Formats: sequence, structure tokens, C-alpha cells
Amino acid sequence: DAGITQSPRHKVTETGTPVTLRCHQTENHRYMYWYRQDPGHGLRLIHYSYGVKDTDKGEVSDGYSVSRSKTEDFLLTLESATSSQTSVYFCAISGRGWNYGYTFGSGTRLTVV
Amino acid sequence: GQQLNQSPQSMFIQEGEDVSMNCTSSSIFNTWLWYKQDPGEGPVLLIALYKAGELTSNGRLTAQFGITRKDSFLNISASIPSDVGIYFCAGQLSGAQKLVFGQGTRLTINP
Repeated sequence: DAGITQSPRHKVTETGTPVTLRCHQTENHRYMYWYRQDPGHGLRLIHYSYGVKDTDKGEVSDGYSVSRSKTEDFLLTLESATSSQTSVYFCAISGRGWNYGYTFGSGTRLTVV
Repeated sequence: GQQLNQSPQSMFIQEGEDVSMNCTSSSIFNTWLWYKQDPGEGPVLLIALYKAGELTSNGRLTAQFGITRKDSFLNISASIPSDVGIYFCAGQLSGAQKLVFGQGTRLTINP
């Protein structure tokens, strides 16, 4: 196992509530990413981090925020969950940057009702 | 928006057949990667390509980085039941700092 875990694995939440997903790694990798996966869209980047407190937006960042206060944890927060944010969320890590391939977590299935 | 076109979107084949899928783009990529995703899991890296024209194999899998740097293909020879899953291409655009993923090819194998 590559040492990346996501929690929770499944969550159901109500529209308008804040939700935080956690990604934890034990590899001491510098780069961490949050993607969402939806049918017909593949994997789309939400936010990524290139170091502690260093984050940047991806292509679908609206409605999401992230924080990275230590190397091993990268948190994704849905500030006010909407039904369009129902998705499977994947965290990924990379030790040498984006072009050497990522290692993905097992995903969090989020349902907003 | 989506910058990689992956085809076909789905494939239904018989066990033992060879498989071919590809990704194309109007943009130039520096790196092409191919991933496989099993149900309920995250994608796993299969092959990475770093040079135009590069041909790389991993067991029964072979992938190539197109000479124009705008496409890549993945071949699977003599398919077996455990090849079932979703295959994703991913690329790093020239000058960009992140990967872009294709929509995926869902492979189904009839025994």
C-alpha cells in the first residue's frame, strides 16, 4: 500500500451543510491533489498543494477550499454542499511532481441530499 | 474544460482478444500516463511515457507517446478477466503544472 488514506469512505450530507474530507499520507510526499470523478467527465482537478500552506486552484475549484497545515494532511472543505457536488472524491500524492505519476487514495463517495 | 479525448468510451470483448484505446488532444503534451481503475478503488499507474515516439511495455500492456506529442495509445494483448476496469489516459500540458485526465475507457470482458 502506498500510504495514502482518505476519510470518510462514504458520506451522506444535507444541502447547505459544510463538509470536510481528509487525505492523509505517510510517504512524506510534497505534492497532494484533490480530484472529483463523475461519469462522462473523468477526473477533474479541484485543488492541489505543492507544500505546507502552499495551495492552488484546479479547473473546478468553485465551492471548495483546501488547507494543508502539515505535510501529511490535505483537507478538502465543501463550504456549503450542493447536489452538484455529489461525486466520488480522490486524493493523490506525488513525490517528484505532476509528471511522474500520482498515487491515488481509494476515494470518498459523497452524496448531497 | 476537458482537453483530452479518449476513445472508445467503452469496449465489450471476448477473453483472449487484443484491445486498443487512444487519447488525442489539440494541445502538445510533455508526458503521457496510463492508469487503470478497479471498481471502488482509485486509479493505479500502468505506464508512463516521457518522450515523443517512445514505446513502452509492461507485461501484456504496450503504450506509445505519439510523434506529434498530441496523442497516445494503449494496447492490451490477450485480454484476461482481471483486465476489466476503467482505463484513463493523463497528460501534462507543455508549461502546465498538473495532469489532465481523459474521460476513461470502460473495458468489459466476456469469458
